[in-house]
Order: sequence, then structure tokens, then C-alpha cells
Amino acid sequence: QVQLVESGGGVVQPGRSLRLSCAASGFMFSSYGMHWVRQAPGKGLEWVAVIIYDGSNKYYADSVKGRFTISRDNSNYTLYLQMSSLRPEDTAVYYCAKGNSGYHLGWFDPWGQGTLVTVSS
Amino acid sequence: EIVLTQSPGTLSLSPGERAIFSCRASQSVSTSYLAWYQQKPGQAPRLLIYGASNRATGIPDRFSGSGSGTDFTLTISRLEPEDFAVYYCQQYGSSRMTFGQGTRLEIK
Repeated sequence: QVQLVESGGGVVQPGRSLRLSCAASGFMFSSYGMHWVRQAPGKGLEWVAVIIYDGSNKYYADSVKGRFTISRDNSNYTLYLQMSSLRPEDTAVYYCAKGNSGYHLGWFDPWGQGTLVTVSS
Repeated sequence: EIVLTQSPGTLSLSPGERAIFSCRASQSVSTSYLAWYQQKPGQAPRLLIYGASNRATGIPDRFSGSGSGTDFTLTISRLEPEDFAVYYCQQYGSSRMTFGQGTRLEIK
């Protein structure tokens, strides 16, 4: 079955960088758009970024544009989120999620279990 | 950016009752590109409905979605104990996908 497993979260100081990974299995990874969605503690869901099936197009939320970079390695079934210039407001559980098509628009199904990023000095 | 407003913020009902969730968009959602998710404490969200009215695989038929344009509804016909959770709508008709703020369904 489809499985998504995030890793790389932790505690990081403001202004520093962190890279999240999402290991995918159970489907043809190279055929689907992939997303990152985050959820601050006790808050709602916020879409962060999407990368289409071949990595040629990427879209970002305004809140992370210019600081975060989404990428993928189709040969290793892995999605990444490189986060730089981190701010306390980036503190959240970060989920990766599979899109329903190869492109950027779509619903998210399934989701990984999430990885917690805490930005604090 | 399309802003989604969900109401009510909290819904207090008993098992067996009907639950109705509203999601209103600040502008028309193209081609009914709207989804609903359920999230339980400590868990990732789960897809319930896509395309405004299509149930995802494995979702019981007591869940149904309707609406178009700017007004969408999720209905749970008869609440089961496992349905008490937070529900989110999401639009995917524009490159900047957005979620509503969520509706908490609690046991009365």
C-alpha cells in the first residue's frame, strides 16, 4: 500500500536551515505531484509547496517563498523540503502528501505521519 | 488567494444525529475543485471527499459532499462515535491551494 514517511525534523535556531525528507513507497512515485503541508501546534492546515511529477515545476505559499525549496529524487522515491532562514512561526508538524495527478493541482491522499520542526533559540 | 471560511467553528452533537458542515469560498472554486478531510488528535488528515461530492476509497456512505461555486457542504447522515474529529475543506482550483480553518465536531 502507499506509504509516506517523513524525517529530518527537530529543534533549530532562528535563521538556521533544515532539510526534511519524505520516503515514498507503494506507488509509481515519478508519476505524481507531491506536496508539503504544515500544521502549527493547535492550529489548522497550511499548504506549503508542490512539485510536479518530473520536478520541472514548483509552487510555493507566499509565507515560505524564497526561503524554502521543494525537490525530489525519483530514482530514490524521495521528496525533500530544504528550509532556510527559519523563523519561530515556521514551527509546525510538516506532512508530505501525494497528489492525485502528476501536476500541481489536486487533492492530497494519503498523508505521511508528519515530522515536527521547532524553531527556537 | 481563495479564502475558505468554515462554519460553525464547533459543532456539538450526539451519536446518531446528522452533522452539516459549511465551507464558503471568497471566490468561485473552479470545476468544484474542493476536498474535505478528517483529522483526529495526533493523526494525519484523511481524505473524505474530492471534487466536491466524490467519496474517497473506503469512506462510508454516511459521508456526503455537495455544492458548487462558492458554497460547499459536508454532511454526515448518522454520527458514529469514531466521527468526532476536526474537519477541513480545501480548494485546489488555483496554484495557491488553501484550507479552511476547520470545524471541530464534539460529543454533546
